[in-house]
Amino acid sequence: QKEVEQNSGPLSVPEGAIASLNCTYSDRGSQSFFWYRQYSGKSPELIMSIYSNGDKEDGRFTAQLNKASQYVSLLIRDSQPSDSATYLCAVRLRGNNRLAFGKGNQVVVIP
Amino acid sequence: EPEVTQTPSHQVTQMGQEVILRCVPISNHLYFYWYRQILGQKVEFLVSFYNNEISEKSEIFDDQFSVERPDGSNFTLKIRSTKLEDSAMYFCASSEAGGPRELFFGEGSRLTVL
Repeated sequence: QKEVEQNSGPLSVPEGAIASLNCTYSDRGSQSFFWYRQYSGKSPELIMSIYSNGDKEDGRFTAQLNKASQYVSLLIRDSQPSDSATYLCAVRLRGNNRLAFGKGNQVVVIP
Repeated sequence: EPEVTQTPSHQVTQMGQEVILRCVPISNHLYFYWYRQILGQKVEFLVSFYNNEISEKSEIFDDQFSVERPDGSNFTLKIRSTKLEDSAMYFCASSEAGGPRELFFGEGSRLTVL
């Protein structure tokens, strides 16, 4: 079982719509969860972190965590063309210093 | 805003040559990392470094790889004898000690092995 899974393919959303991204992780003891945005050819940029069950909002971004289901999600409201990027889910595994990354979900916002 | 800086941004080398990638982590950070991303693939962990020693490494980080903090600011990744499959983007990252430890990444060094 992969440590962090992001399974859905490229997501196309019209400008102004909500983009919804999902991520599952294998280690039930994981405590820290992150969403990074990566533009093509660039480095990952931290956009959200979440550590406890529930929702966390920051501007147009909302992260949701459900530890019982081992599930993290990211909502992007009022999507803008500048949101077109690959979004990486990352999890700090129990007892580790490193972050494990999912393969990412590409989002394309159509003007 | 403090940032992680990496040099070179792009290096082209011949197979079998040694390569050193350099990083200057954020100044008050104590954990340092190297990750790599082969084109079209996911970001993969190589090694983490704390208190002047390796704290964790992946199976990718074999004897051809080494890391060093030669002074108070630089953090380097050396690949002793490069292979074609080492071609990738290499990212340095750093984080504060304690807490959830958000990682902040540098802009990356693209390595092309011919």
